[in-house]
Amino acid sequence: EAGVAQSPRYKIIEKRQSVAFWCNPISGHATLYWYQQILGQGPKLLIQFQNNGVVDDSQLPKDRFSAERLKGVDSTLKIQPAKLEDSAVYLCASRPDRYEQYFGPGTRLTVT
Amino acid sequence: ILNVEQSPQSLHVQEGDSTNFTCSFPSSNFYALHWYRWETAKSPEALFVMTLNGDEKKKGRISATLNTKEGYSYLYIKGSQPEDSATYLCAFMNTGFQKLVFGTGTRLLVSP
Repeated sequence: EAGVAQSPRYKIIEKRQSVAFWCNPISGHATLYWYQQILGQGPKLLIQFQNNGVVDDSQLPKDRFSAERLKGVDSTLKIQPAKLEDSAVYLCASRPDRYEQYFGPGTRLTVT
Repeated sequence: ILNVEQSPQSLHVQEGDSTNFTCSFPSSNFYALHWYRWETAKSPEALFVMTLNGDEKKKGRISATLNTKEGYSYLYIKGSQPEDSATYLCAFMNTGFQKLVFGTGTRLLVSP
């Protein structure tokens, strides 16, 4: 079974630029998550999708972050414009049932 | 606000040493406790999903226990090996939110 795919793996941008991350979940997983993990902290949930609908985006900074899930499968997370404090690893995860989440390798973003 | 704490923050042991980490979480409205291992540049890997008070789970040299009444879980590694070097994350899920709240992780380094 293929895992959760994410791209790019690494990205370096200057502040005020825009960036987009892509996630392809495991086939058949209806629930998809985006997390932000800042160095020294645990992963923080940004947004949760159930199929192509948003379940929870309470911690998504909506003035600069946006996310969509196309046809209930792939998802993109965008930051526009980026700030220095957005430097982090962005993890995508998908879930088949009540408990376990499967994570992708993450995208490490550096904002200079 | 749900608070999940892990200790120690980091640990450096010699090959062959046994070690253990602690995860503390709210004792009310418990649903599940997850343990993940996250190696650098790789996807976080699920180790255990624990749901019942008194649960004990084992995978090879790694085992975990759960006490939901007092709100803690222990992860044990017996005879640490260099390949055990990783960050170990615990994540709490309560009955209300159905989402994972992560601790800050314990970074383990095992020297040959």
